[in-house]
Amino acid sequence: AQSVTQPDIHITVSEGASLELRCNYSYGATPYLFWYVQSPGQGLQLLLKYFSGDTLVQGIKGFEAEFKRSQSSFNLRKPSVHWSDAAEYFCAVGARGSQGNLIFGKGTKLSVKP
Amino acid sequence: KAGVTQTPRYLIKTRGQQVTLSCSPISGHRSVSWYQQTPGQGLQFLFEYFSETQRNKGNFPGRFSGRQFSNSRSEMNVSTLELGDSALYLCASRNWGEWTDTQYFGPGTRLTVL
Repeated sequence: AQSVTQPDIHITVSEGASLELRCNYSYGATPYLFWYVQSPGQGLQLLLKYFSGDTLVQGIKGFEAEFKRSQSSFNLRKPSVHWSDAAEYFCAVGARGSQGNLIFGKGTKLSVKP
Repeated sequence: KAGVTQTPRYLIKTRGQQVTLSCSPISGHRSVSWYQQTPGQGLQFLFEYFSETQRNKGNFPGRFSGRQFSNSRSEMNVSTLELGDSALYLCASRNWGEWTDTQYFGPGTRLTVL
């Protein structure tokens, strides 16, 4: 079955610390991978995406993610977290031609300690 | 360029009623998808429309329907509302046919069923 797993429901980090949010997927086709962020009461904002090529992708707000095919993972990282990064983060997978039908993980809520 | 807009932002209905939600895509985007977000089930794909035709459909009962107009605007309808339909309904738009196209989400409509 096609699925996305975000093992961490809630993560708390100190401001200025590094961050890594985990994402594992199970998908039959070559995956297109996405990270979205959602602030309370808001829609989803695209952070970054991977379609092909370089497995390390850069996104907005200083985020990056690395695609590891052998591990079926697409982990999100940021070297130094800011208080404004507190939000919920969603990993999603789709396929070429199915970018409008994404499968989402359950999300990881990030809290930032001052 | 204006983002995806959804109206209304908030709705309160009672069981048994029906409701219509509206979505205006980003200018130039021809595909609209709808997702339901609940605390228990997370983000689930409802359907995708392109060129006024439903192209993909998720695993939801027939009470959930949609349509798309010639200007790419889309509406979603839920008939005979149930308490479990309370959710944030997100609309997303993208270009259709570009292998690198990406979904961009609106702010959502928060539906509460009493």
